Amino acid sequence: DQQVKQNSPSLSVQEGRISILNCDYTNSMFDYFLWYKKYPAEGPTFLISISSIKDKNEDGRFTVFLNKSAKHLSLHIVPSQPGDSAVYFCAATSFTGGGNKLTFGTGTQLKVEL
Amino acid sequence: DVKVTQSSRYLVKRTGEKVFLECVQDMDHENMFWYRQDPGLGLRLIYFSYDVKMKEKGDIPEGYSVSREKKERFSLILESASTNQTSMYLCASRAGLAGVYEQYFGPGTRLTVT
Repeated sequence: DQQVKQNSPSLSVQEGRISILNCDYTNSMFDYFLWYKKYPAEGPTFLISISSIKDKNEDGRFTVFLNKSAKHLSLHIVPSQPGDSAVYFCAATSFTGGGNKLTFGTGTQLKVEL
Repeated sequence: DVKVTQSSRYLVKRTGEKVFLECVQDMDHENMFWYRQDPGLGLRLIYFSYDVKMKEKGDIPEGYSVSREKKERFSLILESASTNQTSMYLCASRAGLAGVYEQYFGPGTRLTVT
């Protein structure tokens, strides 16, 4: 039972354009969401997060949008750069569960082309 | 910066061997985690620990055990390695502060069981 889903295994965009990575969840208890980036042969690196009390959080080129009614979040990268090419994982957790258990999606491979 | 280190980047073991994967963090974090990452499955939680000598099962604990004798160190043990335990193993840590949910990952250990 995949509670966090990333339905696009891969995405290719041109340098300078917007990258939009999507994530859906099924568990209504989730109230905090995170995005991680992973390069090959390295551990995931935390990028940005959002609490369910917000619908948008921005950090530089990265913006995460949360639509609670649709149980959907997305990560926007503008402008995309070649160094953004990596696998992106979304993850979710619950405040009431103590926040220790992150449930991850299966990842989306982003390729930013010159 | 949080630093999480793992004892080996690559490991090759034979079926039936006992395998120890070591993880050390230098930020005095209360919580530590072991995940495995497999293609198409994302990151799956094996075990976590919220304090010294305390542990909780994650989603896929079968075939694994853990040990946390010191706050900074968390070990994953494969009692009798099997080929289906060939995977990338990732250690992470997280502060015990309320409202802080980001986990910081080590570089991973690529384990091959032959």
